[in-house]
Amino acid sequence: AQSVTQLGSHVSVSEGALVLLRCNYSSSVPPYLFWYVQYPNQGLQLLLKYTSAATLVKGINGFEAEFKKSETSFHLTKPSAHMSDAAEYFCAVGGAAGNKLTFGGGTRVLVKP
Amino acid sequence: GAGVSQSPRYKVAKRGQDVALRCDPISGHVSLFWYQQALGQGPEFLTYFQNEAQLDKSGLPSDRFFAERPEGSVSTLKIQRTQQEDSAVYLCASSPNRVEQPQHFGDGTRLSIL
Repeated sequence: AQSVTQLGSHVSVSEGALVLLRCNYSSSVPPYLFWYVQYPNQGLQLLLKYTSAATLVKGINGFEAEFKKSETSFHLTKPSAHMSDAAEYFCAVGGAAGNKLTFGGGTRVLVKP
Repeated sequence: GAGVSQSPRYKVAKRGQDVALRCDPISGHVSLFWYQQALGQGPEFLTYFQNEAQLDKSGLPSDRFFAERPEGSVSTLKIQRTQQEDSAVYLCASSPNRVEQPQHFGDGTRLSIL
């Protein structure tokens, strides 16, 4: 069984400040891990994914995430927040050969000017 | 279009009615996924197709939910005898092969059951 926990349903950051979104996972098989972003009334867009290659993964829009097996974490960061980063972010886990994603509950990011 | 297209965008139905939600995946994509997203929650897996074959339907909540993809392209999610708890956004996504997860999901169909 797989599960994902996102700490903090809402995060507020100032424009230009560090964005840090936390994700912890549970998986009985080597996990594939994903971060998706969802803007209001839209579907999800893949930001980045970890598939057992490099543990530091770079994605689109300046985001990156680090896979830490010992901590079962896959936290998402961006050094400097932009107003356009205001959205909801979902962490997800999938098995190496599976096709089903298990999503966390999401973290809504508010960016203050 | 270049992306996953879903229709209708919004659907209001009375409890007990049947509804059909359509998904047009990206042309040529082998894999197609349906997810259900309740208000304020993350998406939950419903079902997965590889071409026309429904390989995983473990997430369908009840036998009132039925999905098909008869020609390996367009897919329809049908809900019979709708209940209030079926109110949610239904998301569709596709990917080009058997192993990749979707890059983009469709914008979803927001279903409201009165």
